[in-house]
Amino acid sequence: EAGVTQSPTHLIKTRGQQATLRCSPISGHTSVYWYQQALGLGLQFLLWYDEGEERNRGNFPPRFSGRQFPKYSSELNVNALELEDSALYLCASSLTPQTEAFFGQGTRLTVV
Amino acid sequence: KNEVEQSPQNLTAQEGEFITINCSYSVGISALHWLQQHPGGGIVSLFMLSSGKKKHGRLIATINIQEKHSSLHITASHPRDSAVYICAVFKGAQKLVFGQGTRLTINP
Repeated sequence: EAGVTQSPTHLIKTRGQQATLRCSPISGHTSVYWYQQALGLGLQFLLWYDEGEERNRGNFPPRFSGRQFPKYSSELNVNALELEDSALYLCASSLTPQTEAFFGQGTRLTVV
Repeated sequence: KNEVEQSPQNLTAQEGEFITINCSYSVGISALHWLQQHPGGGIVSLFMLSSGKKKHGRLIATINIQEKHSSLHITASHPRDSAVYICAVFKGAQKLVFGQGTRLTINP
């Protein structure tokens, strides 16, 4: 069974542009989580989607947004990119909000 | 003070040694994750536990809810165990709070 898949694996954008990152959860998983790992920093919680709705978000500006589609795949959008947005963005999914989350390999976003 | 503290931050050991990584947290939690992050960033979930002890192969994770402490043990360590190990706690509403990670290096 396929795990959590993220695309693209690498993304290079210039400051001010928009980035779109995609995540396909494990089949049947309804909860999708997004995390940011900036260089030298730990993982930070970004967003949680469940059953198509945004359920919780971390301390990030509104430039970071996303959505979850009917079959539970998800998209993270980052608008007006800043240099400090350069990071590894990880997606995870779980069967229900109470069960173990499984992580994708991440998208490395570089803003130049 | 971080809500999740791991120790040590860096650990170097020889192949075969018994490894212990500790995690202390200061908030009420519903569950705790141990994650393994390989060079390049890929993360693997090792354990999710809310009480007691879990074992998977050479890995053992324990948690003491009263003392707000968890440990990850690796028996008969091997160079392929070299990675960053991250403790993360569920702090309500599915918000995971992460420790800073422990960088483990196992030398042959």
